[in-house]
Amino acid sequence: GAGVSQSPRYKVAKRGQDVALRCDPISGHVSLFWYQQALGQGPEFLTYFQNEAQLDKSGLPSDRFFAERPEGSVSTLKIQRTQQEDSAVYLCASSLLPTAGPQHFGDGTRLSIL
Amino acid sequence: KQEVTQIPAALSVPEGENLVLNCSFTDSAIYNLQWFRQDPGKGLTSLLLIQSSQREQTSGRLNASLDKSSGRSTLYIAASQPGDSATYLCAVRNYGGSQGNLIFGKGTKLSVKP
Repeated sequence: GAGVSQSPRYKVAKRGQDVALRCDPISGHVSLFWYQQALGQGPEFLTYFQNEAQLDKSGLPSDRFFAERPEGSVSTLKIQRTQQEDSAVYLCASSLLPTAGPQHFGDGTRLSIL
Repeated sequence: KQEVTQIPAALSVPEGENLVLNCSFTDSAIYNLQWFRQDPGKGLTSLLLIQSSQREQTSGRLNASLDKSSGRSTLYIAASQPGDSATYLCAVRNYGGSQGNLIFGKGTKLSVKP
């Protein structure tokens, strides 16, 4: 069965480059979340979409981070002018209902900034 | 601000033992609590979700309890197996605020020795 799919699985970029991370949620899932997981830590919330609307972006660490979900399905997290502290695993999760039920996670994108 | 703590940070047990993982949270106004498993280099697999009105949930050898008033949850694993080795994460979802983002603990890294 199709789960949450993220690409690429691994991304290496030089400091200052822009990167784009993609998330394909489970078909029909209304809610989509992005999380950032540093090594040895639990995931931390970045931003939340309900269909195409970005309802919460309070977790984005700076204005270099931008996320979109223009058609209410696939989402892209973009990081501009990357810095070393952006190195982390970026996880995407989706859930069927806006405010209830379990969140289903993808395998994440491991981003390394050199 | 909600904070989630997991104790112990790491645990090593021989195969066959029953074990308990602990999770505590500072704000009892939660919507639900979810336990996840994370294997190295992988995303999160949902194990159990307990709604705030529930006291426990069971799935196979796993049993999760919730005491909302005291801000605690436990994950009980019966007859542990080497395949249970992974990091176990606890996450809560608050009422209000963002519609559904999870707040995670740092996890307990479990190693089950054959």
